[in-house]
Amino acid sequence: GENVEQHPSTLSVQEGDSAVIKCTYSDSASNYFPWYKQELGKGPQLIIDIRSNVGEKKDQRIAVTLNKTAKHFSLHITETQPEDSAVYFCAARGYLEGKSTFGDGTTLTVKP
Amino acid sequence: DSGVTQTPKHLITATGQRVTLRCSPRSGDLSVYWYQQSLDQGLQFLIQYYNGEERAKGNILERFSAQQFPDLHSELNLSSLELGDSALYFCASSSDVLVDEQFFGPGTRLTVL
Repeated sequence: GENVEQHPSTLSVQEGDSAVIKCTYSDSASNYFPWYKQELGKGPQLIIDIRSNVGEKKDQRIAVTLNKTAKHFSLHITETQPEDSAVYFCAARGYLEGKSTFGDGTTLTVKP
Repeated sequence: DSGVTQTPKHLITATGQRVTLRCSPRSGDLSVYWYQQSLDQGLQFLIQYYNGEERAKGNILERFSAQQFPDLHSELNLSSLELGDSALYFCASSSDVLVDEQFFGPGTRLTVL
């Protein structure tokens, strides 16, 4: 089955700096890669996603890159703000599959 | 607010007991997913239902079962509870089986004493 590894497990940055979280996956059939943000006491919320026919996607301060050959994808947050502090999860899924495999999460702390 | 509702918010029970968690998907969503989030195992996919039928199965224990009703709400039944079943249980929904984006509910925190 699919295996997703996520690094780092914790990340602390100064406000205004950039943050990068990386994930690798094992199943070459996976073709959908979402990123979720989970704030304390809440459910995960989709913040950006990418499909395997695209190498990069950007939405304001957030971007995701995908390297299908190397089987890894990354989340980039620029100009970080204290409200970006949360746990971030990556996931991988195959087309028409219901099952998503999640990484173990990265706790991001943005220091004011 | 994702539009997905889950009840109850908290549940405390004893080992050996049985509980039912309830999920109402977003209006119009046909697909429901259940996840378990524990401290040491992250988010684990349990099961997916689409329009009343089981669509995909993950690492769901035999002691656990789920169903989706004609009004599309779903229930997750956990029986013979063990201490290790203590976790957050999330429900998510999507509009149909081909749609990637899943909307998560606020979760039910289960504590087994």
